[in-house]
Amino acid sequence: QQQVKQSPQSLIVQKGGISIINCAYENTAFDYFPWYQQFPGKGPALLIAIRPDVSEKKEGRFTISFNKSAKQFSLHIMDSQPGDSATYFCAAKGNDKIIFGKGTRLHILP
Amino acid sequence: GAGVSQSPSNKVTEKGKDVELRCDPISGHTALYWYRQSLGQGLEFLIYFQGNSAPDKSGLPSDRFSAERTGGSVSTLTIQRTQQEDSAVYLCASSLFLGGTEAFFGQGTRLTVV
Repeated sequence: QQQVKQSPQSLIVQKGGISIINCAYENTAFDYFPWYQQFPGKGPALLIAIRPDVSEKKEGRFTISFNKSAKQFSLHIMDSQPGDSATYFCAAKGNDKIIFGKGTRLHILP
Repeated sequence: GAGVSQSPSNKVTEKGKDVELRCDPISGHTALYWYRQSLGQGLEFLIYFQGNSAPDKSGLPSDRFSAERTGGSVSTLTIQRTQQEDSAVYLCASSLFLGGTEAFFGQGTRLTVV
């Protein structure tokens, strides 16, 4: 049973636009929600993360919005750049495991 | 080392052969995780270690898969009698401790079973 559902599978955004990726989880035991960025041929790297007691976290152009009651969280990339083109994974940590969504392949048009 | 190191980076093996994948975590990291990434799929959790102990092996796909960790450092993932469906990128990650919030990933081992 997939515990973290991520959408969309792929996303194309114009340079300068806002990229939005959504995730939903089921297990209320999750206590930490990271987003990872993966470039081709590389391992995923932590981008930004949030705990459920916070509704929003911003780091530069990247913002996580968190809705605990709906069990949903999203990543917003403002002023998207071609260098942001990568695969993004949301994840949820709980019971010592980190469970990942299936990923979103983001392509920023120059 | 500076980061998580995995070897080999690429492995092509014949169906039915055994393979061994190696992970060197960041020095001092007590928690170590193995994931499998198939084409177009997310990261499938396989197993994690706290020190040399693996409390939860339920993520291993079949009894052909096994993993061990020695000295609280290097871990090996062994796949016996490989099948074509085992073809994937196998990723290892480590974190400072089991409840640690950031997991650092290696570049993975791309396994191709022909």
